[in-house]
Amino acid sequence: AQSVAQPEDQVNVAEGNPLTVKCTYSVSGNPYLFWYVQYPNRGLQFLLKYITGDNLVKGSYGFEAEFNKSQTSFHLKKPSALVSDSALYFCAVRDNNGGATNKLIFGTGTLLAVQP
Amino acid sequence: KAGVTQTPRYLIKTRGQQVTLSCSPISGHRSVSWYQQTPGQGLQFLFEYFSETQRNKGNFPGRFSGRQFSNSRSEMNVSTLELGDSALYLCASSLEGTGVRNTIYFGEGSWLTVV
Repeated sequence: AQSVAQPEDQVNVAEGNPLTVKCTYSVSGNPYLFWYVQYPNRGLQFLLKYITGDNLVKGSYGFEAEFNKSQTSFHLKKPSALVSDSALYFCAVRDNNGGATNKLIFGTGTLLAVQP
Repeated sequence: KAGVTQTPRYLIKTRGQQVTLSCSPISGHRSVSWYQQTPGQGLQFLFEYFSETQRNKGNFPGRFSGRQFSNSRSEMNVSTLELGDSALYLCASSLEGTGVRNTIYFGEGSWLTVV
C-alpha cells in the first residue's frame, strides 16, 4: 500500500533561519509528490509538486523541496523562515494503484511554528 | 480565474438529518474529489468523479454519497448524520482525468458541525 509519513508533528524555527519539514514516502512505481499548506480555518493551498526531472523543485512563497529517490524522501525547505509561514503543512502522494485517478494520500501533517 | 468554490462554508446540523455540500471546480477541470478532514483521522479520501462517473471511492459508509453534473459541478450528501461526521469537507479539482502531471487544487472547505 502506498503511504506518506511526516515524522514530526511540529517544527519550531526562528524567523530568518532555514526550515525543513520532512516527508518520506512508500509507493509502487513512480512517485508523484505534492506539498500543501493549510492556514487556520482555511483549505489547502498548493505549494509545489514533483513529477519527474530535477530533484530540486521550486514552488510558491519561496519554498522548495528536494526529492531523494534512494532515501524515498521529499523534504520541504525554505532558506529563511517568516512568521507568516506558520501553518500546517501536508505532504501527499498521488495514488497510482488501480488506474487513472487524482486521489491523493496524505501524511498526518506538520505544524510549523516560526518564532519572531 | 476563480478557484475551487465550495458552499456553504459553515453549517450546523442535528444528528439524524442529512446535508448536501456543493463544489464548483476551476473552469475547465473535469475531475473532482472530496476529502474529509478531522483532528483524529486527518485527511481521508471520500470519492472522485470524472465526467459524471464515480471513478474512485474511499472507505466510508454508504451514508456518504456524491454525484457530478454535466458542467463538472459536484455535490456530496451525508444522510443520517452522526456526531462523528463533524469535519471539514474539502473539494479538489484537476484539469484532466488521467494526466499525472496535473496539479490538484483545493477549495476552502465546508465546515460541518453535527449537534
